[in-house]
Amino acid sequence: GAVVSQHPSWVICKSGTSVKIECRSLDFQATTMFWYRQFPKQSLMLMATSNEGSKATYEQGVEKDKFLINHASLTLSTLTVTSAHPEDSSFYICSARTFRDLTEAFFGQGTRLTVV
Amino acid sequence: ELKVEQNPLFLSMQEGKNYTIYCNYSTTSDRLYWYRQDPGKSLESLFVLLSNGAVKQEGRLMASLDTKARLSTLHITAAVHDLSATYFCAVGTEYGNKLVFGAGTILRVKS
Repeated sequence: GAVVSQHPSWVICKSGTSVKIECRSLDFQATTMFWYRQFPKQSLMLMATSNEGSKATYEQGVEKDKFLINHASLTLSTLTVTSAHPEDSSFYICSARTFRDLTEAFFGQGTRLTVV
Repeated sequence: ELKVEQNPLFLSMQEGKNYTIYCNYSTTSDRLYWYRQDPGKSLESLFVLLSNGAVKQEGRLMASLDTKARLSTLHITAAVHDLSATYFCAVGTEYGNKLVFGAGTILRVKS
């Protein structure tokens, strides 16, 4: 299957700083990428959908100014958590979809963010 | 709004036993996914079900889809310890572009 690489795997940052998480499709072009957040022992909640070259579409309740998403190329999307606070600590997972096969979404390894 | 209900949320089973996890969803969809998640890890794709009556099997796991009942099942046969994980179903919406996840089922297989 296709490979989606997410970096970093884990990050600890101080409250008030910003953190950037990268999501790359390694062997395919991802027309659409999705960003999810998962709190401990909870399910995945979709935060936003990004299409290459256009603005991301955010789910209700997700602050677009706080969670900046950029999908500048067909193989890279980034999520920047700005002015992070402890309540932003979570597991962030990206997934990517190719235009050739809309039935499958490939998930990155996830990023464990801890804000102290 | 699409809602996905998964049950049970927690399942403790003995090795060798059979059990079924259920996934109900509220609106029409053309695709249903099952994933496995180990602690601290991302999702591993198990099955993609695309049509009514679809049945797929891999090892001790078998998934089925009834689109009329809006129900999918994940059946575990003769459970082994290695199957211990959290299992999620997810339903595609908006032409399958988005996925809505169930709450997950924590499966613990005891020796």
